[in-house]
Amino acid sequence: GESVGLHLPTLSVQEGDNSIINCAYSNSASDYFIWYKQESGKGPQFIIDIRSNMDKRQGQRVTVLLNKTVKHLSLQIAATQPGDSAVYFCAETSSGGSYIPTFGRGTSLIVHP
Amino acid sequence: DSGVTQTPKHLITATGQRVTLRCSPRSGDLSVYWYQQSLDQGLQFLIQYYNGEERAKGNILERFSAQQFPDLHSELNLSSLELGDSALYFCASSDLAGDTQYFGPGTRLTVL
Repeated sequence: GESVGLHLPTLSVQEGDNSIINCAYSNSASDYFIWYKQESGKGPQFIIDIRSNMDKRQGQRVTVLLNKTVKHLSLQIAATQPGDSAVYFCAETSSGGSYIPTFGRGTSLIVHP
Repeated sequence: DSGVTQTPKHLITATGQRVTLRCSPRSGDLSVYWYQQSLDQGLQFLIQYYNGEERAKGNILERFSAQQFPDLHSELNLSSLELGDSALYFCASSDLAGDTQYFGPGTRLTVL
């Protein structure tokens, strides 16, 4: 497969560990946030989203935390598995616009068996 | 599988040429978005169509154009291709609310 970025931040973890991927967003007017996972050679895949009226949202093995005060978003993956290895992007958008998200550069997660 | 399809998967062409990339959105989705992803630029929004009409424009070059047809599929036309146009091109679609976008598998364009 091909790499989607040469100079991405990288997080290396052992299988079974919990992973935390961070994202800082820039627009204080953004009120909808999305995490995407992109595996090598594939398109971004929706993981979880959160609106600005929430601080935390949980999915299956994933949790997103939103801190609007410092404009920070995090994605927590519990019991990380080798299949979680991918590039993770956060995206911010505003419901007042046309929902065009602004994507972060991404973080490469490497899970070692 | 997101339900968004893109063809072709790979495209190799020469500088100066013109290509057309095709996208079929998820069933029921009216919005189609095009993105370019290169190694040094990340994911860049190009253009959005909603029910056949252009809705928003991003960093799309004048050499590039797109359209959405009555059956809601979309085509991205890239002309006078340059080496720097080599990238992954993704199409995404969303429902009426326009929130979550679902991405296709992409077309890898290589300009030689």
